[in-house]
Amino acid sequence: EPEVTQTPSHQVTQMGQEVILRCVPISNHLYFYWYRQILGQKVEFLVSFYNNEISEKSEIFDDQFSVERPDGSNFTLKIRSTKLEDSAMYFCASRTDRVGYTFGSGTRLTVV
Amino acid sequence: TQLLEQSPQFLSIQEGENLTVYCNSSSVFSSLQWYRQEPGEGPVLLVTVVTGGEVKKLKRLTFQFGDARKDSSLHITAAQPGDTGLYLCAGALSSNTGKLIFGQGTTLQVKP
Repeated sequence: EPEVTQTPSHQVTQMGQEVILRCVPISNHLYFYWYRQILGQKVEFLVSFYNNEISEKSEIFDDQFSVERPDGSNFTLKIRSTKLEDSAMYFCASRTDRVGYTFGSGTRLTVV
Repeated sequence: TQLLEQSPQFLSIQEGENLTVYCNSSSVFSSLQWYRQEPGEGPVLLVTVVTGGEVKKLKRLTFQFGDARKDSSLHITAAQPGDTGLYLCAGALSSNTGKLIFGQGTTLQVKP
């Protein structure tokens, strides 16, 4: 069964450093997403991406965040200057129709 | 703003019992999805409901979308220890957006 692959599975970084979280969505999917889940809290929408541009973003997705699909297969989330409160599980998801989401296994980001 | 309220948040039952998990909102959703999430993994889609009053069955799991498309339920018949996990509901407010609003989840423990 096709999978959404995320790397790394765990990233530890110092506050103020830049991190890039990587995702390989399912190859024929057209819509791409990043969600995050702070420990003990709900899964929260960050951003959606379609046709090589952001289609929607949440209030969380401020200027510190950016997304790219540099080569037609990878989908990355960059956090420019990490803060302690950015520590969370970050999930990439993709879909091809209105209802069929597939989530990756997530990257656990720990900011120290 | 808590758009999707799940109840109960925790449920511990004996093998063989039946249970129902509820997902309620004051908002109308164009579709609603149920996921199961294992520790350290991403949510895995169980079902999507799109039509008010729709009922879908997945083996011992029965999912219902409310007539007004504001609520949903997940019923498990004769629960088994393998059903143990976190169950999440998530809704899309618009058919034009893929953005999902997640509930806080129901942690189910089925004891043998």
